[in-house]
Amino acid sequence: DADVTQTPRNRITKTGKRIMLECSQTKGHDRMYWYRQDPGLGLRLIYYSFDVKDINKGEISDGYSVSRQAQAKFSLSLESAIPNQTALYFCATSDGSAGANVLTFGAGSRLTVL
Amino acid sequence: GQNIDQPTEMTATEGAIVQINCTYQTSGFNGLFWYQQHAGEAPTFLSYNVLDGLEEKGRFSSFLSRSKGYSYLLLKELQMKDSASYLCAVRDEGGGNRDDKIIFGKGTRLHILP
Repeated sequence: DADVTQTPRNRITKTGKRIMLECSQTKGHDRMYWYRQDPGLGLRLIYYSFDVKDINKGEISDGYSVSRQAQAKFSLSLESAIPNQTALYFCATSDGSAGANVLTFGAGSRLTVL
Repeated sequence: GQNIDQPTEMTATEGAIVQINCTYQTSGFNGLFWYQQHAGEAPTFLSYNVLDGLEEKGRFSSFLSRSKGYSYLLLKELQMKDSASYLCAVRDEGGGNRDDKIIFGKGTRLHILP
């Protein structure tokens, strides 16, 4: 099983629908992140969390919300999806107590908003 | 804010050497990462530099100059499997207490020719 699991892997939805992307990890890491990736724009940080109930905004948090109810789970919600939220979304984890804070990524969730 | 620049695309020949440059500006620099990302896959960690100098790891080396805001990734003895995107990322602690973000550049797509 993967260390960082994202569900769903692919999702097609319509404008205005509520969408939740889930991320779970078995690495025991305290820190979790959500990024989106768009062609030509690279990876952009949406939200990150250092611990349960800890939430921090990243570069592009507008239109998104997150929940960290357990150390192993970090979910990303789009309350009312719009077409420019079509992207590849990555969840990542890291060990905040380790010096380098290296990210381990999930396989990605491809979201298409029509 | 942060600004991370790297070339959009590069081409090199199998067996040769290629250097991918990255320049950055950030308020609370605390380390620079290089990640590799094959098409359709998640990024994977290559290297981390926090002090000035060269870190060598097999065919890959990474260099950092903090005073110049500059890093490069050097790939030797190129193989076809090295065709991928290479992502420069900066660890930024400039936002104050508990702020510790990892911000990515847009990535460099490397094409290897036989």
